[in-house]
Amino acid sequence: GENVEQHPSTLSVQEGDSAVIKCTYSDSASNYFPWYKQELGKGPQLIIDIRSNVGEKKDQRIAVTLNKTAKHFSLHITETQPEDSAVYFCAASREGNNRLAFGKGNQVVVIP
Amino acid sequence: EAGVAQSPRYKIIEKRQSVAFWCNPISGHATLYWYQQILGQGPKLLIQFQNNGVVDDSQLPKDRFSAERLKGVDSTLKIQPAKLEDSAVYLCASGLSNTGELFFGEGSRLTVL
Repeated sequence: GENVEQHPSTLSVQEGDSAVIKCTYSDSASNYFPWYKQELGKGPQLIIDIRSNVGEKKDQRIAVTLNKTAKHFSLHITETQPEDSAVYFCAASREGNNRLAFGKGNQVVVIP
Repeated sequence: EAGVAQSPRYKIIEKRQSVAFWCNPISGHATLYWYQQILGQGPKLLIQFQNNGVVDDSQLPKDRFSAERLKGVDSTLKIQPAKLEDSAVYLCASGLSNTGELFFGEGSRLTVL
């Protein structure tokens, strides 16, 4: 099955700086790559996703890049704010079955 | 629009006891998922429903876990008998179809003593 790994496990950034989280996946047939944000005591919430037919997608301060050849994708958060502090999960699946395989998560701490 | 509702939010039981969790998905969502999230890890899929049929239960420990989705709406997840390693947050999620965004509930935290 699909195996998704995230690096680093914890990331501390100064408010206003950028944060980058990288994920690698193992199944070359995976073609859907979402990022979820989980705040304490809440369920994960989708923040951005990308499909294999594009290499980059942006939504305001958040962007995701995909390298299918290398089987990795990254989340970029610019101008970080304290409310960006959370655990971020990457996931991968084959579109059409939506059986998401999640990574272990990255704790992002934004220091005011 | 109401989100995914789960209950109970917290449950503490002793090993070998049984427990049941309930999920009410977003109205109109055909797919429903149960995930297990152990502390410090990402969610792990247990079972996926499409309407009231099981699509994938390959990672469900069927000797102790069972789930059903009667009438294609609400779902229950049962554990009997519980083991210490079942301590986790059980997340329910729903989606419009087999693709795209999953909407998660806040989860049911189980502690097995």
